[in-house]
Amino acid sequence: GEDVEQSLFLSVREGDSSVINCTYTDSSSTYLYWYKQEPGAGLQLLTYIFSNMDMKQDQRLTVLLNKKDKHLSLRIADTQTGDSAIYFCAEEGPADRGSTLGRLYFGRGTQLTVWP
Amino acid sequence: DTAVSQTPKYLVTQMGNDKSIKCEQNLGHDTMYWYKQDSKKFLKIMFSYNNKELIINETVPNRFSPKSPDKAHLNLHINSLELGDSAVYFCASSQEWDRGGAYEQYFGPGTRLTVT
Repeated sequence: GEDVEQSLFLSVREGDSSVINCTYTDSSSTYLYWYKQEPGAGLQLLTYIFSNMDMKQDQRLTVLLNKKDKHLSLRIADTQTGDSAIYFCAEEGPADRGSTLGRLYFGRGTQLTVWP
Repeated sequence: DTAVSQTPKYLVTQMGNDKSIKCEQNLGHDTMYWYKQDSKKFLKIMFSYNNKELIINETVPNRFSPKSPDKAHLNLHINSLELGDSAVYFCASSQEWDRGGAYEQYFGPGTRLTVT
């Protein structure tokens, strides 16, 4: 569960759609997550998808999950300059002793730059 | 109100020194974490505490010692600092529910540690 891969950079024009892709390794991950990190700040949970779902839509965000290929994507519609940030994909690892929840494994993040 | 806070925000120190980073959360969560983010934005978990008990202890040097005086606080003490310790350290917290929900972690703003 430690090899979560993402492309490092994505540039789009304001108003276009952005698609950030991720591949993960742990097929037992119950949920898969997208976090956003703005400059100088901590990570903020954007959205997540239950592993039995193929798609989840949340306002401008659409998450697509292909479990067979272990591929996760985040689409941002009508991308704005305020969406410029680093986007991290994360999968769950198995639960540790004494815990009901597994740890999260993060990808290296995709730097999204939105040009006006 | 700040949910997860860390102090200091910036820390510049010399090799060989001992330093501490403090973290506090006011969300009533029972699980807290320390993550290290390197210069390439790779985010990796270091420690996890649940109700003041150490749950996850990744392979980090024993110069790093977490201390949790109560559920709302998780401090990180680092002895004999080395150049390679330079990174951004994030504290996070979450609530352990019975499995059935997503695993939402709330991150602090980070502490940028520079060892010279």
